[in-house]
Amino acid sequence: AQSVSQHNHHVILSEAASLELGCNYSYGGTVNLFWYVQYPGQHLQLLLKYFSGDPLVKGIKGFEAEFIKSKFSFNLRKPSVQWSDTAEYFCAVNAASGAAGNKLTFGGGTRVLVKP
Amino acid sequence: DTAVSQTPKYLVTQMGNDKSIKCEQNLGHDTMYWYKQDSKKFLKIMFSYNNKELIINETVPNRFSPKSPDKAHLNLHINSLELGDSAVYFCASSRYGTDTQYFGPGTRLTVL
Repeated sequence: AQSVSQHNHHVILSEAASLELGCNYSYGGTVNLFWYVQYPGQHLQLLLKYFSGDPLVKGIKGFEAEFIKSKFSFNLRKPSVQWSDTAEYFCAVNAASGAAGNKLTFGGGTRVLVKP
Repeated sequence: DTAVSQTPKYLVTQMGNDKSIKCEQNLGHDTMYWYKQDSKKFLKIMFSYNNKELIINETVPNRFSPKSPDKAHLNLHINSLELGDSAVYFCASSRYGTDTQYFGPGTRLTVL
């Protein structure tokens, strides 16, 4: 069974600070990895995804993530945050083989508050 | 144009009632999903349908019954609502396989 853990539940930082959110997963096979963002009162939106190839993935709004297979990690980064980055961030994985259907397993989320 | 839409956005009801949430996608996807997000923001898959066929059914009480009249629609019917059913329910869709899932705006269900 897949599992995903996000180490930080809450992160508070000031505008222009750098952001890094940790994500580790557990699964015996090859995975696809995703970061979704949920702005206050809104639905989940895809920030970026990794299926294969270059382990450094660039997404929307200046976000990037690096897949480190040996560490089972897919950490999200942004060099300089803005107030509008205040949101809940979710890491998710599914089995690349399609086993058990396209079941996305989510981490518990990290709530990010950016102070102006 | 809305890609994945859900109705209603908010649903407030009494314990014991039966209610439905509707989901529609216009992305041409053939797989649709229901997720439940609890009060702690934890997201968990409930069901998945591919071309109207159930392919994922997590350990969800049988009071929850998904129905897919066609591949663009996946509705969720809940019988005998309980307090613990209060949550935000998200519909999602994707192409078949392990492709990216696109989420709807959510339905906030409150059971009193």
